[in-house]
Parts: sequence; C-alpha cells; structure tokens
Amino acid sequence: EAQVTQNPRYLITVTGKKLTVTCSQNMNHEYMSWYRQDPGLGLRQIYYSMNVEVTDKGDVPEGYKVSRKEKRNFPLILESPSPNQTSLYFCASSRTVYNEQFFGPGTRLTVL
Amino acid sequence: GENVEQHPSTLSVQEGDSAVIKCTYSDSASNYFPWYKQELGKGPQLIIDIRSNVGEKKDQRIAVTLNKTAKHFSLHITETQPEDSAVYFCAAIPMDSNYQLIWGAGTKLIIKP
Repeated sequence: EAQVTQNPRYLITVTGKKLTVTCSQNMNHEYMSWYRQDPGLGLRQIYYSMNVEVTDKGDVPEGYKVSRKEKRNFPLILESPSPNQTSLYFCASSRTVYNEQFFGPGTRLTVL
Repeated sequence: GENVEQHPSTLSVQEGDSAVIKCTYSDSASNYFPWYKQELGKGPQLIIDIRSNVGEKKDQRIAVTLNKTAKHFSLHITETQPEDSAVYFCAAIPMDSNYQLIWGAGTKLIIKP
C-alpha cells in the first residue's frame, strides 16, 4: 500500500531534550515536505526537499533541522525543543511539487 | 513573495445547497493551484487541482475555476452532503519559488442537516 508513515504519532517531551520525528514514503517520490499545523494558522511549511541531499527552508524553519540522505526518508530534528514548538506535524511527499502531495497521519508533539 | 488569502474562514451551508470558497494570490506568474480537504484527525488530501492554462475543471460535484486576470481561484461544491464537512485549503506555486507550495489559511465548511 502506497503511504507516508510518521513516528511517533504522539510525543510529550520536555524543553531542551533533542528529538527526531521520522518520515518515510514508499512511492519513490522526489519531493518531501514538513508542515506544522496550529489552530487558526493553517498549514505552515517548515522545510522541503526536492531530492536526495537537496533541502530548503520553508516559512518557519527556526528551531528545526532536516536531512535527506536517502529518497524514502526525511526526518525532522528538534535539537532543543521549546514550548512554542508544541504543534501537530505533518510529513508529505509527491512526485514533484506540481503533483498531489500525500500526507502522513500526523505527529502530535507537546513540549513542556 | 507569494501570498494566498482564503475566504471565508468558516462557511455554514444547508445540506443540498452549494458552497463556494475563494482564494486570491499575489504572484501573477503562479501556475498551479490545488485544493486539499482535511477531515478531522487526518492529514489533508487533494480533491482537485488546476493549472494556469485551464479556466475550469470539474470532478462530479466539485469544480474549480481560475481567473488569472483577477488572480483568484474558487472551489465550488454542489449538492453538499454531510461528508463534505471538513477544512479546505487552497494553495499556489509562485514562479520565484518553483519548489514551494504557498497555502491559504483554510476554510471550515459545516454542512447543516
């Protein structure tokens, strides 16, 4: 089954404790992206990747890192999480940016 | 840079009536305009998209229209049903950033029985 998987689905952590949210797709897509969704603010893009080893900042990259060492995986790294990063995070992939983006199920992160 | 404004933020319609959601964009060179539907507890899902060389596209009860002169595009849902209740997002790709989708803030559509 074609899908985007994210792990973990739920995470409660404390300020400053490094964490990684994994994202994997099995559709051989070149384009991958991370979004955060907060009430009233819609979807805001954090980082995106056009292909392996090619990444770029979205609208809200501060406090986040990404890497794209292989095509299928696009992890999101929070080196020192803060409470303002409490949010719902979505990973998405598509063949190119001009094609349908397939979203993962979301990761609900709470930073205390 | 590109800015996409979406209206209204909330839309309540009677079941069976039509719903229209409108988005305006600022970059006249934008050339791809998708619409996504997000149901409660799920990630967004593409429902229809349109490219700049087309003025209208239909898929059963859903249609999208594009007015490049006025720089706006709209989602039309006819004969609304309870399962149409969701949050809808529009987006656009500006020419100066060919790899980034710029999103509207979303419209919560409520279908009243």
